[in-house]
Amino acid sequence: DTEVTQTPKHLVMGMTNKKSLKCEQHMGHRAMYWYKQKAKKPPELMFVYSYEKLSINESVPSRFSPECPNSSLLNLHLHALQPEDSALYLCATRAYPSTNEKLFFGSGTQLSVL
Amino acid sequence: AQSVSQHNHHVILSEAASLELGCNYSYGGTVNLFWYVQYPGQHLQLLLKYFSGDPLVKGIKGFEAEFIKSKFSFNLRKPSVQWSDTAEYFCAVNAGAAGNKLTFGGGTRVLVKP
Repeated sequence: DTEVTQTPKHLVMGMTNKKSLKCEQHMGHRAMYWYKQKAKKPPELMFVYSYEKLSINESVPSRFSPECPNSSLLNLHLHALQPEDSALYLCATRAYPSTNEKLFFGSGTQLSVL
Repeated sequence: AQSVSQHNHHVILSEAASLELGCNYSYGGTVNLFWYVQYPGQHLQLLLKYFSGDPLVKGIKGFEAEFIKSKFSFNLRKPSVQWSDTAEYFCAVNAGAAGNKLTFGGGTRVLVKP
């Protein structure tokens, strides 16, 4: 299994809602990432988890809250989002937190905030 | 801080034409360089990567890239494109001192006309 599975594929939420994005992998990868990609823009790094611990937070607003409950799962909890947060949210994994390993990307969750 | 710039935002060419996409990075130390491709409606996939050794790297689907350290460049090439190469191409860099952080360039949209 070389897949990174993200659910849901699409999500529409209001600004007062609380929702969560889920990412799952069974490759034994120990580095997991959240990226945000706006239309026609490159992916922008949000968070990195190394060995289930948060190692990088790219100054992301607190309305985004990541969680890594175990080595196979990565969640992104959303609360009080703004319309400008609408984007494709990508999960990625890497075998180890080393710089020459490739990232495996999921298909993403397309989020629309109304 | 590491950064990546891609010179062309859009490229339109005919089948069998040659393709070269420019990528420059700014970081003086050891870097690992990647080209990712995003086909319409699909997730990001690795085309090729460079981390050491032969500066001419061959990837999947007939793509290659050349690392020129003196020019801080990692240009992507394909001698003869096909309609199926229509996609968005992202250059990315992971500098040693930045640890886990993979930074993407702005992307180049390539349209191959049949």
